[in-house]
Amino acid sequence: DGGITQSPKYLFRKEGQNVTLSCEQNLNHDAMYWYRQDPGQGLRLIYYSQIVNDFQKGDIAEGYSVSREKKESFPLTVTSAQKNPTAFYLCASSILYRGAEAFFGQGTRLTVV
Amino acid sequence: GQQLNQSPQSMFIQEGEDVSMNCTSSSIFNTWLWYKQDPGEGPVLLIALYKAGELTSNGRLTAQFGITRKDSFLNISASIPSDVGIYFCAGPPPSNTGKLIFGQGTTLQVKP
Repeated sequence: DGGITQSPKYLFRKEGQNVTLSCEQNLNHDAMYWYRQDPGQGLRLIYYSQIVNDFQKGDIAEGYSVSREKKESFPLTVTSAQKNPTAFYLCASSILYRGAEAFFGQGTRLTVV
Repeated sequence: GQQLNQSPQSMFIQEGEDVSMNCTSSSIFNTWLWYKQDPGEGPVLLIALYKAGELTSNGRLTAQFGITRKDSFLNISASIPSDVGIYFCAGPPPSNTGKLIFGQGTTLQVKP
């Protein structure tokens, strides 16, 4: 089935450790996005990519890094520089035109202890 | 960053009631998208609107693209318990950066 797969669903890490969240899509979409969601709040854009080997910072990029080596994959690394990393992380993809509908993965809930 | 303003922030209604929520922007939008997020899941697209004044239905859901292009409305008729969740509006900002921005969401609770 076509779609976006995020893994793992739940992730626990110790404070100070880097952690990488996986996002894979087989929809042949050019654009991919990472959002962060905190309890009771909306979606905030971390990074987005419109083409392989290129990406742009969103509104809250500090403490995060991404790569886009393949069209299908857009992993997000939460670094130790992120001061409050515990959150629900959502990956999305879309075709590349303004106003395109984004399709979301199931999300990864990261808890840092 | 630019935001879309959604209201109300939350609603607690009785099963069978109709629901209305809206989304406004200070800038003109060419597309309005409405998503629903179930607890612990990713948002799912409900309705997409592409033309000012457009009225589109999806089952019990009806959404409208405001004539000023600065707002959109979502109505749910005869609510049922599975309507519970967070409803988000979204759209591309005028800056044409290729990204979507989202409203803060409207949390809906339905009492059986």
